[in-house]
Amino acid sequence: GDSVTQMEGPVTLSEEAFLTINCTYTATGYPSLFWYVQYPGEGLQLLLKATKADDKGSNKGFEATYRKETTSFHLEKGSVQVSDSAVYFCALTPQSSSNTGKLIFGQGTTLQVKP
Amino acid sequence: KAGVTQTPRYLIKTRGQQVTLSCSPISGHRSVSWYQQTPGQGLQFLFEYFSETQRNKGNFPGRFSGRQFSNSRSEMNVSTLELGDSALYLCASSLTEGAGKRKLFFGSGTQLSVL
Repeated sequence: GDSVTQMEGPVTLSEEAFLTINCTYTATGYPSLFWYVQYPGEGLQLLLKATKADDKGSNKGFEATYRKETTSFHLEKGSVQVSDSAVYFCALTPQSSSNTGKLIFGQGTTLQVKP
Repeated sequence: KAGVTQTPRYLIKTRGQQVTLSCSPISGHRSVSWYQQTPGQGLQFLFEYFSETQRNKGNFPGRFSGRQFSNSRSEMNVSTLELGDSALYLCASSLTEGAGKRKLFFGSGTQLSVL
């Protein structure tokens, strides 16, 4: 079945360091891909998304490119801040379920940014 | 505009009891999805409702059920609680059907502890 695999955390970085969180997926066809972020004590917030191959999603300095050939959607940010400390989830909606609210999530990666 | 509201925020129950969780979507949103979040299994899709109809269901036993009212508010019910049902239950709403190309807005969740 469809699945999402993320790099295990926690990832600990110093402020202004470069961030990469790896995400790969298994799915048939062309799923839609997402990154969600969860701050402590809060629900998930959509960070960015890409709905077709080679699309680049971007928001708040974060970027991810939909790579069909490598089935990947890695999250990157050039310079992280302490306020970016959170849990990041990679997710997909299968192409067959594109009109539903069903998301398949990775396990989440905890990011800790130290001043 | 108020966000997705979930009540109660915390709940403690004992094995064998049943529980009802409530979710009020963002005003105007007609689609509501439910997810279970646990440290071991991560985020898993429970079900989705749109216009009072269940549109999609995840792989959970029949003890998990839900419904949606004409005002789009949704409830989920878990009967005969088991220890493994302890989790954060998240509700998400969207303006129309589909997470594929539309944004899901998550509530802060209901933390259920089964003793």
